[in-house]
Amino acid sequence: EIVLTQSPGTLSLSPGERATLSCRASQSVSSSFLAWYQQKPGQAPRLLIYGASNRATDIPDRFSGSGSGTDFTLTISRLEPEDFEVYYCQQYGSSPHSFGQGTKLEI
Amino acid sequence: EVQLVQSGTEVKKPGESLKISCKGSGYNFSSFWIGWVRQMPGKGLEWMGIIYPGDSDTRYSPSFQGQVTISADKSINTAYLQWSSLKASDTAMYYCSRHLWFGEFGPFDIWGQGTMVTVSS
Repeated sequence: EIVLTQSPGTLSLSPGERATLSCRASQSVSSSFLAWYQQKPGQAPRLLIYGASNRATDIPDRFSGSGSGTDFTLTISRLEPEDFEVYYCQQYGSSPHSFGQGTKLEI
Repeated sequence: EVQLVQSGTEVKKPGESLKISCKGSGYNFSSFWIGWVRQMPGKGLEWMGIIYPGDSDTRYSPSFQGQVTISADKSINTAYLQWSSLKASDTAMYYCSRHLWFGEFGPFDIWGQGTMVTVSS
């Protein structure tokens, strides 16, 4: 089973700044099958990035993903007030399709 | 519109059984894997397992194997998650979600609204 470790646990930044969130896998993720989700309180998660670097439908281009193998990054280029939420990575290359523990982005 | 609609909030006692549902619409339900994700209060997301409604092929996380049963009825476009004997530790929000594309290995793009299950004596 692949274990995903996200860092930092909490990231404190201001609107307009750049955010860099990390997701490290315990073993290589097949075919870069790595996704990122955003979750707001009381809502279901929303898919942001799949295939490590592909933006999902209607996701603003300030969100970008990169990485391969065991190290992946979600970058938010210029933070908007609505971006201060919790972010999860997920690998879907091998079963179980595990999630990371999450990073909380706070103002 | 592609959507998943889940059954409503449940409050049960330890030892009781439960089956919650997830109904898909707006797409070919039989052709996309559906998954279940647990979120305990104040905690992160946990992948429980997935099912292919076309033939009910199922994959479970080892953490949930034997603890829950995932099933589907393609004739009514509905997937299910069931427990035979609930525990207090099953208290959580449960989400169903659909894979972005055909195939067992995919991210979740469409999510249900969640079903809150509370187990308390």
